[in-house]
Amino acid sequence: SAVISQKPSRDICQRGTSLTIQCQVDSQVTMMFWYRQQPGQSLTLIATANQGSEATYESGFVIDKFPISRPNLTFSTLTVSNMSPEDSSIYLCSVAAVGDTQYFGPGTRLTVL
Amino acid sequence: AQTVTQSQPEMSVQEAETVTLSCTYDTSESDYYLFWYKQPPSRQMILVIRQEAYKQQNATENRFSVNFQKAAKSFSLKISDSQLGDAAMYFCAFHNTNAGKSTFGDGTTLTVKP
Repeated sequence: SAVISQKPSRDICQRGTSLTIQCQVDSQVTMMFWYRQQPGQSLTLIATANQGSEATYESGFVIDKFPISRPNLTFSTLTVSNMSPEDSSIYLCSVAAVGDTQYFGPGTRLTVL
Repeated sequence: AQTVTQSQPEMSVQEAETVTLSCTYDTSESDYYLFWYKQPPSRQMILVIRQEAYKQQNATENRFSVNFQKAAKSFSLKISDSQLGDAAMYFCAFHNTNAGKSTFGDGTTLTVKP
């Protein structure tokens, strides 16, 4: 298994600003994922972040809005840029382990005013 | 593209009873994994059970078991002897081995009544 921490756990931000979310894993992993989840709803994959290469974004998500860094095998950041109230959501980091099982971080609850 | 359908937005069960959560999926892939994840109100998602598509035998993990019907593309979760701590949102997920990413269902909220 993998233990994942995320910072911050929650934040309230003003429209037009940016927030960077950090994801730290206690072991080296190849694949990391960033999801968005509205409370009580399903997960939507934003992008896959592999160390040493650019992140791969899903349809509807672009690098200018959600830049991702993956400097090493235990750490990644997701930035939500030029935020609007529609970006209010829970952002989850996850990693893929043996057998493609995913382990999830506790999430970052973002509110944009 | 894969789709995962959970037809039961909400389910409830009496403590100590058994409940089954439904999941169907659609794919043309032959190599994949299926998962059930649990997300309690505290939010952190945890793995409940995992099934390899190439295995005919249904996975079991203590009180949790699955009924995997590959031809029907069905993957239901059975929770036996339900406990109050089982109350959570349950997500069925399909993992595409080739693409290296997962698709999640919309979730089923399970309530356990004392």
